[in-house]
Order: sequence, then C-alpha cells, then structure tokens
Amino acid sequence: AQSVTQLDSHVSVSEGTPVLLRCNYSSSYSPSLFWYVQHPNKGLQLLLKYTSAATLVKGINGFEAEFKKSETSFHLTKPSAHMSDAAEYFCVVSEAGGFKTIFGAGTRLFVKA
Amino acid sequence: NAGVTQTPKFRVLKTGQSMTLLCAQDMNHEYMYWYRQDPGMGLRLIHYSVGEGTTAKGEVPDGYNVSRLKKQNFLLGLESAAPSQTSVYFCASSQSYLAVSTDTQYFGPGTRLTVL
Repeated sequence: AQSVTQLDSHVSVSEGTPVLLRCNYSSSYSPSLFWYVQHPNKGLQLLLKYTSAATLVKGINGFEAEFKKSETSFHLTKPSAHMSDAAEYFCVVSEAGGFKTIFGAGTRLFVKA
Repeated sequence: NAGVTQTPKFRVLKTGQSMTLLCAQDMNHEYMYWYRQDPGMGLRLIHYSVGEGTTAKGEVPDGYNVSRLKKQNFLLGLESAAPSQTSVYFCASSQSYLAVSTDTQYFGPGTRLTVL
C-alpha cells in the first residue's frame, strides 16, 4: 500500500533563508512523485515531478527535490525563500495502475520579512 | 485556453438540498477527476472518469454521483447534501494515466461548499 507523510504541518522561515519541506513515502512499486503548491483560494499548481529519470528534479520558481530511494524521501528545497512562496505545499505519490494517487496532508509555509 | 474551470466558486446549501458542480476543461484531456479537500487531510479522490461516458469510484464516493456526457465536462452531484460534505471541491484533468507517463494533472480553482 502506498502512503505519503509530510513531516511538518507548518514551516516558518525568514525571507532569503533556505526552505526545506519534508516528505516521506511508501510504495510497493516504483512511484511517480510530485510536489504541488496551493496559494490561498487558488487551485493546485505543479511545482515539479519525479518519474524515474534524474533523482534531482528541478521545478519552477527555484524549487527542487531529490528522490532518495534508500530513505524513501522526496524533500522539497529552495535556497532562498521569497515572500511569494508563502502557500501550502502538497507531496503526492502515484503508482502504476492508474488512479492510486495519494496526497499528503500538506505543509503550510510562512515567510517572514 | 482557460484550462480547467469550475462553476460555481461558492455555494451554501441546507441539509437535504441537492446541487451539481460543473467542471469544464478545454485541453481535450481524456481523464477527469473530482477531489475534496479538508483541513489536515490533503485531497481525496471522490470519482474519476477515463473518457466520455465512463465514470468510476475513487476513495470517498458515498453521497456523490458524477456524469461525463461530454468529453470536456465532468459533473459532480450531491443528491441530498449533508454537513459532512462541507468542503472545498477540486476538479482536475490529465491526458493519460499519471503514474505511467510524465503527464500531469491540471487543477481548477475550486468550489467552496458549505452545508448547514
């Protein structure tokens, strides 16, 4: 069975400092992994995705994530936070077989000036 | 190209009332999905469709029905609304199976539903 755990429900950083949003997953098969961002009162926007190519995945807005199979992790990072990064972030795992797509509970990122 | 749109954006219902949420996509996608989002629970799949005229149950289908009469539209119905259905509902579409391709789901802006 697959599952996704986002280890922090809230993360607060200062503008210009690094961002780390943690995600662990479990999957019986080789999964596809995604990070989505949701700004207040908006839909979800894809940040990046891993589909068994390079383990370090670069996404939009300076975000990147590294797939570590040995640690079953897919943490999202950004070197320098911007005020506009304040949003909720969802880690998602998807397995072969179609519609077994599981969303994490979300991590809300706060960015302080 | 509007992507995925949802109608209405907000709705308040009384217990027992019915309503239909409309999702439309202009990307000619085969697959469409309805999710609900509740605090601390991420998104949960209600129903999905793999093509015009087909629908299937997701993780939390009870109390909902869906129809896909046209490829571009995916309707979510609540026949007798309950307070437990208070949530934000998101529609999404994709061209193919997510997990076996590099495809991506595209999400609508959401519908905030309150059932009193």
